Amino acid sequence: AQKVTQAQTEISVVEKEDVTLDCVYETRDTTYYLFWYKQPPSGELVFLIRRNSFDEQNEISGRYSWNFQKSTSSFNFTITASQVVDSAVYFCALRAGGGADGLTFGKGTHLIIQP
Amino acid sequence: DVKVTQSSRYLVKRTGEKVFLECVQDMDHENMFWYRQDPGLGLRLIYFSYDVKMKEKGDIPEGYSVSREKKERFSLILESASTNQTSMYLCASSPPRGPNEQYFGPGTRLTVT
Repeated sequence: AQKVTQAQTEISVVEKEDVTLDCVYETRDTTYYLFWYKQPPSGELVFLIRRNSFDEQNEISGRYSWNFQKSTSSFNFTITASQVVDSAVYFCALRAGGGADGLTFGKGTHLIIQP
Repeated sequence: DVKVTQSSRYLVKRTGEKVFLECVQDMDHENMFWYRQDPGLGLRLIYFSYDVKMKEKGDIPEGYSVSREKKERFSLILESASTNQTSMYLCASSPPRGPNEQYFGPGTRLTVT
């Protein structure tokens, strides 16, 4: 069985602060893929990043960065110098293997950036 | 860009009605998925399909069925809608193999009264 835990239900910070969203996963598969999606108030899920289990390199994209650590089964997401437009619900998700299976999602973290 | 469209953004139905939620994708993807999203529960997989006329149960298939007669279209059917099926329904598609991400539609917010 697979499981994704996002322990932070809601985070509220003031604009320009840095914020980290935590994601912990469980799987018995040796090959798996991790994802982060953003769901703004409009409702449509927007893909942010994919990482496979063989690639532990951290990634930075502008103000976004991701830290993947297999030793702690974590795939955390950091927003640097947050902006009001970053306000959204963020989901971490897991898929094992290379088949057609659906994603296992965490329950999401509602991020509120206050001006 | 991949486009996944869903037939309605908002839908209100009565208990016992048969409900069809339609999803269409324009990227020739083999895989299609239906999820429901509820507050505090995240997204949960209802059904998915990896080819025309093929379907697989997800984590919560009870009370739902699906139909995939054409590659680009995947329908979710509520045979007899109940109030506990009030939810946001999200459709997604992806290429057949590998680590490919899923592309999501805008969602249908269904209310069953």
